[in-house]
Amino acid sequence: DAGVIQSPRHEVTEMGQEVTLRCKPISGHDYLFWYRQTMMRGLELLIYFNNNVPIDDSGMPEDRFSAKMPNASFSTLKIQPSEPRDSAVYFCASSTLQEVYNEQFFGPGTRLTVL
Amino acid sequence: AQKITQTQPGMFVQEKEAVTLDCTYDTSDPSYGLFWYKQPSSGEMIFLIYQGSYDQQNATEGRYSLNFQKARKSANLVISASQLGDSAMYFCAMREDNAGNMLTFGGGTRLMVKP
Repeated sequence: DAGVIQSPRHEVTEMGQEVTLRCKPISGHDYLFWYRQTMMRGLELLIYFNNNVPIDDSGMPEDRFSAKMPNASFSTLKIQPSEPRDSAVYFCASSTLQEVYNEQFFGPGTRLTVL
Repeated sequence: AQKITQTQPGMFVQEKEAVTLDCTYDTSDPSYGLFWYKQPSSGEMIFLIYQGSYDQQNATEGRYSLNFQKARKSANLVISASQLGDSAMYFCAMREDNAGNMLTFGGGTRLMVKP
């Protein structure tokens, strides 16, 4: 089975532009997580979904960030407008309570650079 | 207060030697799980090992074992017979079962294996 798929793998954009990151979770997983990783702040949870419903978005930095999960196999994280401080690696992860440890499986990440 | 603390930003170990990576945690939830992930230079996050708060025995997975000291709230990762491919960032994470299905990560430890 394919793992978590993220696209694009790299994104370079200019300040003020809209950025959309995409994620396809592992089939059958009902939890989806978005993380941001920076040198300064480490790995931070932004938001997570259960059965396509956002459960906790307290980590979303501000209104410029939004996330959706229109169906069980697709989620987006949008930044509008983007700022240089948004430069980071964004990970998507998925999990299911059916796994023995309910561990999260991570995608390869999207490296975002905002100029 | 930090929920997960990894006090060793970087460590060296000689190939074939064992190494212990420290992790302490803070929670008042009686039910929780502790995870270790490996992040090689390629960037992906790889699940290594899990320890549940009610587990009576220390978890082991191949060359990885977890030295779980509940009273001290520590969950140190032990890697035996280090290999060059073990060079990576290692993250400790906790899931508090009464706080939703999300992970809180420590700041990580960079392990470098010397030939």
